[in-house]
Amino acid sequence: DAGITQSPRHKVTETGTPVTLRCHQTENHRYMYWYRQDPGHGLRLIHYSYGVKDTDKGEVSDGYSVSRSKTEDFLLTLESATSSQTSVYFCAIRGTGSPLEQYFGPGTRLTVT
Amino acid sequence: EDKVVQSPLSLVVHEGDTVTLNCSYEVTNFRSLLWYKQEKKAPTFLFMLTSSGIEKKSGRLSSILDKKELFSILNITATQTGDSAIYLCASANTGNQFYFGTGTSLTVIP
Repeated sequence: DAGITQSPRHKVTETGTPVTLRCHQTENHRYMYWYRQDPGHGLRLIHYSYGVKDTDKGEVSDGYSVSRSKTEDFLLTLESATSSQTSVYFCAIRGTGSPLEQYFGPGTRLTVT
Repeated sequence: EDKVVQSPLSLVVHEGDTVTLNCSYEVTNFRSLLWYKQEKKAPTFLFMLTSSGIEKKSGRLSSILDKKELFSILNITATQTGDSAIYLCASANTGNQFYFGTGTSLTVIP
């Protein structure tokens, strides 16, 4: 493992409630990413961060916000969860130099009822 | 629109067969092409290719990148049941964004 943990690992919540997922890394990497994975869609980028307080949107950012107040933590918030946000969420990290590959956390399975 | 397309969507083979997985990409400011293996959990990194024509090898797995035709292939020889997984192709741009294909599901039958 590349020193990435995600919490919670599983969560069931109701439509309309706020939800926050946490990604924690111990590698001091600059870049962190949030993806969702759904059947037929593969992995899709939600948001990413290139440093503390520096974030940018990915291709499916609507309904999600992120924050990064420390290098090691990247939070993903669903402001008002909807059933379409039921998915498996993966966090990933990447360093600034070589190698350029990403390493993934174990994932969080979120169910919105 | 940047995109990565993988084919076939799924594949069933017998142990010992050789398989070829395909990945085509259209990514602005291309930087690298990556292959991952996913077995009911998080994707694990296999290869990264940045130069055309370079073949990467790791045991029975190998991959080639063609930057002119914008595709990559992943070859697995002498397949084993442990190779059963979803294989993901991704392309990274110079802006540090990664675009993933939907994956190829490989099933190896004993």
